[in-house]
Amino acid sequence: DIQMTQSPSSLSASVGDRVTITCRASQGIGSYFAWFQQKPGKAPKRLIYGASNLQTGVPSRFSGSGSGTEFTLTISSLQPEDFATYYCLQHYSYPRTFGQGTKLETK
Amino acid sequence: QVQLVQSGAEVKEPGASVKVSCKASGYTFTGHYMHWVRQAPGQGLEWMGWIEPNSGGTNYAQKFQGRITMTRDTSISTGYLELSRLTSDDTAVYYCETSPKTEDYWGQGTLVTVSS
Repeated sequence: DIQMTQSPSSLSASVGDRVTITCRASQGIGSYFAWFQQKPGKAPKRLIYGASNLQTGVPSRFSGSGSGTEFTLTISSLQPEDFATYYCLQHYSYPRTFGQGTKLETK
Repeated sequence: QVQLVQSGAEVKEPGASVKVSCKASGYTFTGHYMHWVRQAPGQGLEWMGWIEPNSGGTNYAQKFQGRITMTRDTSISTGYLELSRLTSDDTAVYYCETSPKTEDYWGQGTLVTVSS
């Protein structure tokens, strides 16, 4: 199975901050990669697909980059509604595997 | 608009089975895989498998082999996840998910509690 190592596991930041979350795959996965946001009690919401493609309706302050084994999610200027948990996902091979999550909290 | 509506919460005893449904609307049900993902309380996301609704073909995570069954009823655009021999470790919210074209849709989740 492909292991997805996400860092950091938690992050304290303030509104307006630039934030970066990283995900590393245990082997190359091309761009078969996505980022999700999850708020308490809600289903995950996909933000980025194909490593760098912004999902329709997602604010442009979110961006994704990377390919192969290293991927990043950047939020250029944090907004109050962005405090949530973020997960990465590889769908290059089965089983699909998620990162362990990054909880983004207010400082 | 695309919607995935799941069945309600379940409480099961250890050793029992549970069957969760996911009714799809707003897209061609047989045209897109349906995945199932679960999330234990306070934990991360875990992929369980997929079903191809047109053929009924399935692919399950090895972890669940032997006690997981995904089925579908194309006449009512509904997918099903059945998990048997439940233990307390199966207490989780279970989600269905599909990705027609470049969009991504999730059900609202079904809480399954395993407790004696």
